[in-house]
Amino acid sequence: DTAVSQTPKYLVTQMGNDKSIKCEQNLGHDTMYWYKQDSKKFLKIMFSYNNKELIINETVPNRFSPKSPDKAHLNLHINSLELGDSAVYFCASSHRQGAGEQYFGPGTRLTVT
Amino acid sequence: GQSLEQPSEVTAVEGAIVQINCTYQTSGFYGLSWYQQHDGGAPTFLSYNALDGLEETGRFSSFLSRSDSYGYLLLQELQMKDSASYFCACGGATNKLIFGTGTLLAVQP
Repeated sequence: DTAVSQTPKYLVTQMGNDKSIKCEQNLGHDTMYWYKQDSKKFLKIMFSYNNKELIINETVPNRFSPKSPDKAHLNLHINSLELGDSAVYFCASSHRQGAGEQYFGPGTRLTVT
Repeated sequence: GQSLEQPSEVTAVEGAIVQINCTYQTSGFYGLSWYQQHDGGAPTFLSYNALDGLEETGRFSSFLSRSDSYGYLLLQELQMKDSASYFCACGGATNKLIFGTGTLLAVQP
């Protein structure tokens, strides 16, 4: 009965490749997010979706494209991976947009070589 | 814009009480949250304050003063398992949660 799940947990790939991360929540929340946490542990929002609609796009390169097929799923596709994309990517969800109480998935540690 | 400041590291001993402070700047502030993150784990929600005052949840309490743009997380009866990073986060007019840079708490025996 995992609340927010994401796959894969680890992703090691070479520069220039394309990869996807999947996220699902079973909490019945309307809003889902993608966050990036860098090596200094700085946690920054990338995207936010509310009921499948893109609400926030935080000046993320076009190589990153989120997709929300329904309000329980939010996927992240990354094209032409670069070394600087190496980070931990967290999916999260909440009842409403920008809520103080958010539930995070276990994270995907992406390493680009 | 929005910004938050918190100490980078705090050290305390088992059984002690520790306070992690957070000051914030944001327009349209509507609440201050606290999250715990163990090494290699995901951020876990601890508490949320929208109004001034103290909120208590077991060994953890969180305080907010809107007039001072200040809050803190108070951890009592510290245990080794409380060693983790603690993030304050605030919501504002931009309708997104902005996280502080985190405070690494080391609990020593």
